Amino acid sequence: GQSLEQPSEVTAVEGAIVQINCTYQTSGFYGLSWYQQHDGGAPTFLSYNALDGLEETGRFSSFLSRSDSYGYLLLQELQMKDSASYFCAVNDGAGNTGKLIFGQGTTLQVKP
Amino acid sequence: DTGVSQNPRHKITKRGQNVTFRCDPISEHNRLYWYRQTLGQGPEFLTYFQNEAQLEKSRLLSDRFSAERPKGSFSTLEIQRTEQGDSAMYLCASSSSGQPNTEAFFGQGTRLTVV
Repeated sequence: GQSLEQPSEVTAVEGAIVQINCTYQTSGFYGLSWYQQHDGGAPTFLSYNALDGLEETGRFSSFLSRSDSYGYLLLQELQMKDSASYFCAVNDGAGNTGKLIFGQGTTLQVKP
Repeated sequence: DTGVSQNPRHKITKRGQNVTFRCDPISEHNRLYWYRQTLGQGPEFLTYFQNEAQLEKSRLLSDRFSAERPKGSFSTLEIQRTEQGDSAMYLCASSSSGQPNTEAFFGQGTRLTVV
């Protein structure tokens, strides 16, 4: 079967750093993506890792270890607007179709 | 380009009725996906088009569901004989096969309520 595991909820204060972990078990793997979704909004792309290591985009960084089937999203200098759900997703599908298998999501609450 | 557009945004229907949703992807994107999302869950893959060809369908997709992308541009998703369990947010996404990071752009979704 295919599964992605991530914590259901995380709480942090403004200005802090938070790490959201994701472990996966899928039949195909072309990379690990992270998406943000605010209540009532569309999922929006944050980052993508195809190879092991750290990718940095502004306040957000994402890490992948293919040998451990593990990745994480690191959010620095948290702001209130970062309160949202965060999903890890495996890029699956034969031939790298871009098909995404999502985790159940982590709800991040940022407190003042 | 205004991004991925979905219509309608909300649909309430009686059980047993048929419904059809439309998705207009970003114009230069050749890949189009449909996902379903229920409250507190991640989006669940339904089907995938490359240009006008439907290349993959989820095994979870019953034969009451059908999707088309007749000219490789907009797509429609039809649900026949709706059931209460079909109530969900239906999300459309598009991407370009030329993008190295395969970033998908999602629409705002169509929220279906079956009563």
